[in-house]
Amino acid sequence: DGGITQSPKYLFRKEGQNVTLSCEQNLNHDAMYWYRQDPGQGLRLIYYSQIVNDFQKGDIAEGYSVSREKKESFPLTVTSAQKNPTAFYLCASSIGQGLYSNQPQHFGDGTRLSIL
Amino acid sequence: KQEVTQIPAALSVPEGENLVLNCSFTDSAIYNLQWFRQDPGKGLTSLLLIQSSQREQTSGRLNASLDKSSGRSTLYIAASQPGDSATYLCAVPSGYALNFGKGTSLLVTP
Repeated sequence: DGGITQSPKYLFRKEGQNVTLSCEQNLNHDAMYWYRQDPGQGLRLIYYSQIVNDFQKGDIAEGYSVSREKKESFPLTVTSAQKNPTAFYLCASSIGQGLYSNQPQHFGDGTRLSIL
Repeated sequence: KQEVTQIPAALSVPEGENLVLNCSFTDSAIYNLQWFRQDPGKGLTSLLLIQSSQREQTSGRLNASLDKSSGRSTLYIAASQPGDSATYLCAVPSGYALNFGKGTSLLVTP
């Protein structure tokens, strides 16, 4: 079955450490997204990528970095500059201009990141 | 900037009841509106997508309506079941991503 796989499911970060969250999709989607979800705040966009080797900052990109070397993969690195990283991180994908071609956005099962 | 609001934030109903979840948005020039379901600790599952030219969409016991002029959408759940307990979110495209409401947490009691 096609879908989005996020790993790990749970991740713990020590002070000063960078950690990387994995996101892989086999839906052949061009566009991929990272959202952060905090209790009571809804989902907020961190980064998005419309095509390979191109990505753009979202509303809360500070302290995060991404890469898009392959169509299937869009890893997110939470750097030590992100002072409040504890949250639920969701990866999503859609067909190229999916949001405006009336195709639904697909989501992974998320990674919960906590500080040790 | 487009703002999406969902009311109520939480709702508890007995099994079998029909219920309505509300979603409002500030900019009526939307391209489509999507309803999602989120189970605890899980990702989002797309339930229904209503195009701007449509007034409603149906899937099983779910019916979503869209009134662009008033900036509102409703998700109607018929004959609710305990398995419907989850958080329901609505979202509209804004720029290159989706703009989400904060969700309605639904509890259906047996």
